[in-house]
Amino acid sequence: DQQVKQNSPSLSVQEGRISILNCDYTNSMFDYFLWYKKYPAEGPTFLISISSIKDKNEDGRFTVFLNKSAKHLSLHIVPSQPGDSAVYFCAGNNAGNMLTFGGGTRLMVKP
Amino acid sequence: KAGVTQTPRYLIKTRGQQVTLSCSPISGHRSVSWYQQTPGQGLQFLFEYFSETQRNKGNFPGRFSGRQFSNSRSEMNVSTLELGDSALYLCASSSRQGLNTEAFFGQGTRLTVV
Repeated sequence: DQQVKQNSPSLSVQEGRISILNCDYTNSMFDYFLWYKKYPAEGPTFLISISSIKDKNEDGRFTVFLNKSAKHLSLHIVPSQPGDSAVYFCAGNNAGNMLTFGGGTRLMVKP
Repeated sequence: KAGVTQTPRYLIKTRGQQVTLSCSPISGHRSVSWYQQTPGQGLQFLFEYFSETQRNKGNFPGRFSGRQFSNSRSEMNVSTLELGDSALYLCASSSRQGLNTEAFFGQGTRLTVV
């Protein structure tokens, strides 16, 4: 039972354009969502989060949108940079610091 | 402020052996969680400790155990290692228990079971 799904395993974007990474979830008990960026053989790096009572949170080039009725969230990166190339994970948290991760999306930003 | 520190970074063990991994959280953080990452199963939650008490446990066999010390440092132990235990083991620390808390991850320990 995959409670968090990232249906696109990979995404390729041109430098300077917008990257949109999507995530769907089924567990209505999630009250907090997080996005992480990960390089091979390293730990995930926290990017941005959003509470379930909000529909948008912005931090610099990163914006997360939450559509609770559709159980869908997305991460927008504008403008995309080659250094953004990594695997991105979304995660849901339903208290207790127990994160449920999606399978990840590999983002490739081409110069 | 130092980040989450995991030791060792790499480990090779033989089937049937046991292994102990260590995690030092960010100073002041009292919650420590452990995750396993494998190519097939992705990132999966193992367990979480807060103030030396295990609060949550994921769906892993009893061979996987952990503990937390009074200084918030944590260890996880895997007994009777199997080939399938080969994975990247990640530790995350959070400043407090409960809602709306970001978890910060260490670099991980790469365990290879041969």
